[in-house]
Amino acid sequence: QTVVTQEPSLTMSPGGTVTLTCASSTGAVTSGYDPNWFQQKPGQAPRALIYGTSNKHSWTPARFSGSLLGGKAALTLSGVQPEDEADYYCLLYYATVGVFGGGTKLTVL
Amino acid sequence: EVQLVESGGGLVKPGGSLRLSCAASGFTFTIAWMAWVRQAPGKGLEYIGRIKSKSDGGTTHYAAPVKGRFTISRDDSKNTLHLQMNSLKTEDTALYYCTKDLSLWGQGTLVTVSS
Repeated sequence: QTVVTQEPSLTMSPGGTVTLTCASSTGAVTSGYDPNWFQQKPGQAPRALIYGTSNKHSWTPARFSGSLLGGKAALTLSGVQPEDEADYYCLLYYATVGVFGGGTKLTVL
Repeated sequence: EVQLVESGGGLVKPGGSLRLSCAASGFTFTIAWMAWVRQAPGKGLEYIGRIKSKSDGGTTHYAAPVKGRFTISRDDSKNTLHLQMNSLKTEDTALYYCTKDLSLWGQGTLVTVSS
């Protein structure tokens, strides 16, 4: 069974830079896994942030960026804002089926 | 306005069936690849499956936990996506989201499987 692993929680101060990662139990994550990133705030539906490793949607704030880092997919927030406090999920595609990571709870203090 | 509105959720007994619908508006539904994602109470997101546009073959693909029990279909004449759920289990209890290939999301419809 394929498992996608994310940091369970991270805490950042406003203005700082944080990187969330997304690892695959099958080995190194490549662009072929088509990494996607999503943000979800309490009581709200998820919002797509990144697709295809590093592509931003029209609504994605510029401070969010996606990449591959050390065999993992990565989401970097540069200049964290209080409103960035949320759960973040990555998704990787294994052939035709997507698998979500368990999510990272980002706290901004 | 680009919008997805799910409906059809409710309380169902284990072993029962339920059909969810998702009404799409504000974009060209016929060429969109659509997907369903669910979220159990207090838990993370779980990918259910996807259906391609008819012009891309209309094929469907499902995650292992629902394969053989759930069926995704589309009615392009009504801009509507469906999720037929059979042989429901208590672990299928979740908020079910309709998505336009994971970029646009509805607000979800709650399915509770309980005796």
